[in-house]
This record gives sequence, structure tokens and C-alpha cells, in this order.
Amino acid sequence: GAGVSQTPSNKVTEKGKYVELRCDPISGHTALYWYRQSLGQGPEFLIYFQGTGAADDSGLPNDRFFAVRPEGSVSTLKIQRTERGDSAVYLCASSRYIGSYNEQFFGPGTRLTVL
Amino acid sequence: QKEVEQNSGPLSVPEGAIASLNCTYSDRGSQSFFWYRQYSGKSPELIMFIYSNGDKEDGRFTAQLNKASQYVSLLIRDSQPSDSATYLCAVTDSGNTPLVFGKGTRLSVIA
Repeated sequence: GAGVSQTPSNKVTEKGKYVELRCDPISGHTALYWYRQSLGQGPEFLIYFQGTGAADDSGLPNDRFFAVRPEGSVSTLKIQRTERGDSAVYLCASSRYIGSYNEQFFGPGTRLTVL
Repeated sequence: QKEVEQNSGPLSVPEGAIASLNCTYSDRGSQSFFWYRQYSGKSPELIMFIYSNGDKEDGRFTAQLNKASQYVSLLIRDSQPSDSATYLCAVTDSGNTPLVFGKGTRLSVIA
């Protein structure tokens, strides 16, 4: 079956611009996670959704970052006033958590470069 | 602050040998443990998960968990050059809480 998809695969933007990154989870997966990975580091948690609501957004670095999942499927991560330090690979994962253990499957990622 | 520690490597093993990758975690309440493989330029791929103390085998892979020692390991038998990648250890509490990752161990299998 289809895995997690993310678009765009690469995004180059200028400092101060606004960007949107999209994630389409595996069909039927109720939980959706955003992580950010810098070179040489493991993925770091940003936010996760259970259904339409953000269940935990404690990993968002500041209020320039925001994410939505209006219909409980596709999610968009939005970054305002981008900074060079936002450059990283943004990973989305989904999980079929329904009272079971939490195996998360990752999409291919969006590589964001802020010039 | 929940932490997951891994030796960054590189860990070099000859083809056909057993590769042993180790991970320790700080949160004694952690319940679920995962190993992901990440090839250069690619996203993490789930290869093993373990929830109970002891060993879990899947093909050439064996995950080992010791909750008392807060230690989890991954053994790769009959290592192949295609196993060369970074291996990420991740842990989480029960339920659908986010994963906490280590920095990964880079494995190099020499033909």
C-alpha cells in the first residue's frame, strides 16, 4: 500500500519568507507526527496530532511554527518569517495507534533550505 | 529531559560478521523501543520494535531489551554491505506519545 508522502521534497526559500510543508499519512492512520532532523542528529519531535487536534505541540521551537490537520488526514506544517536556523529535513510520520503500541512510519521528508 | 544515547561510530564490521548496536535511555518509564535504519539522504525506516524484556528475532535482526539496565541493543547477523547505514534507536512511553531518538550509530560493513 501507499506509504506516507510529503511535498515538496525540496524547498529553497529566502530568509523572512513563509513556507508550507505538506504531509499525507498512510490511509487509516489516526496519529500524525512532525519531526525535524539536522545533519548528524536524530529526528527531533515538533508536534503530533491524534485526529484533527494537536495532542502535543511542545516540540515547536517558537510561535513562527504552526501545524494543522483540519480533516484528520493531510497535515500542513507552516513556518513564518523563516530563519537560516530553520534549515533541516522535516519528517512526517504516521501511526495506526488505536489502543495499541505505536509503530511510526516515516515519509521521505522535505529538505528545507533557508538562504 | 528524556535522553537516548548511542555511540556515533562508525562501527566497522567485515561482511558476514555480527554487528552489535547499543542504546541506553534515561526515562525508566519508557515502554516501547524501536530501531530505525537510515540510509544517507533517505528517511528512517522501521526495522524492529520491542516492548518486553528479552530478545525478539526477525530474520537476521535480533532486538534485545533490558529495562532494569535501561539498555536496548540490535544484533545484525551475517552482515552485508547493504546493511551499511545509520541505525537510530528510539523510545517512547506507552500510548502514542512521540518518539525520542538517539543520534544514531553509523555502521559500515566491509566486503
